[in-house]
Amino acid sequence: DSGVTQTPKHLITATGQRVTLRCSPRSGDLSVYWYQQSLDQGLQFLIQYYNGEERAKGNILERFSAQQFPDLHSELNLSSLELGDSALYFCASSVQGDQPQHFGDGTRLSIL
Amino acid sequence: AQSVAQPEDQVNVAEGNPLTVKCTYSVSGNPYLFWYVQYPNRGLQFLLKYITGDNLVKGSYGFEAEFNKSQTSFHLKKPSALVSDSALYFCAVRDMGRAGGFKTIFGAGTRLFVKA
Repeated sequence: DSGVTQTPKHLITATGQRVTLRCSPRSGDLSVYWYQQSLDQGLQFLIQYYNGEERAKGNILERFSAQQFPDLHSELNLSSLELGDSALYFCASSVQGDQPQHFGDGTRLSIL
Repeated sequence: AQSVAQPEDQVNVAEGNPLTVKCTYSVSGNPYLFWYVQYPNRGLQFLLKYITGDNLVKGSYGFEAEFNKSQTSFHLKKPSALVSDSALYFCAVRDMGRAGGFKTIFGAGTRLFVKA
């Protein structure tokens, strides 16, 4: 058990909809990362937050946004969903940005 | 920009034989390199990292990796493979974000099959 909790585990929705994925980091970890894993794109870094502040940005679409709250949990918001957004979305956390990351088991998003 | 390449989509080994999963990197500055493993329907698990120091890094579950600066490689190794080692392995490199954060760039992954 990594200590990182992601909810929900599965999400099925339709094109054009909006969803929110939630992540609770491991106790004591201040950094949260979001990743998208798909068959064609592999594992793509989306965004990093450290203690509530955005610190690094990767290949995150403008339709996607994230935030980290004072209690350190994080949410990834995906809007105007398209079929191509179907993927596994992982959250990871670490004590600091340069330390190994601990991954949750992901949210599988299916767009119909 | 930093990048890593895993030249093999799949590696097949027999149980008890040594295994190697290859990774090459391209970085500006000193490399921060990682290996992670992913089992089906699970998130990635950290195996080991190289930041500085000895070129041979020991990690979890009997895995080790050899850092070779001249060949820009960071191959994952294990002296004796187990069937339970069958999984997807990712090499990764740390890159700096503009706001002082860190983003981890992952390779495409190598699927390891260990046959009994």
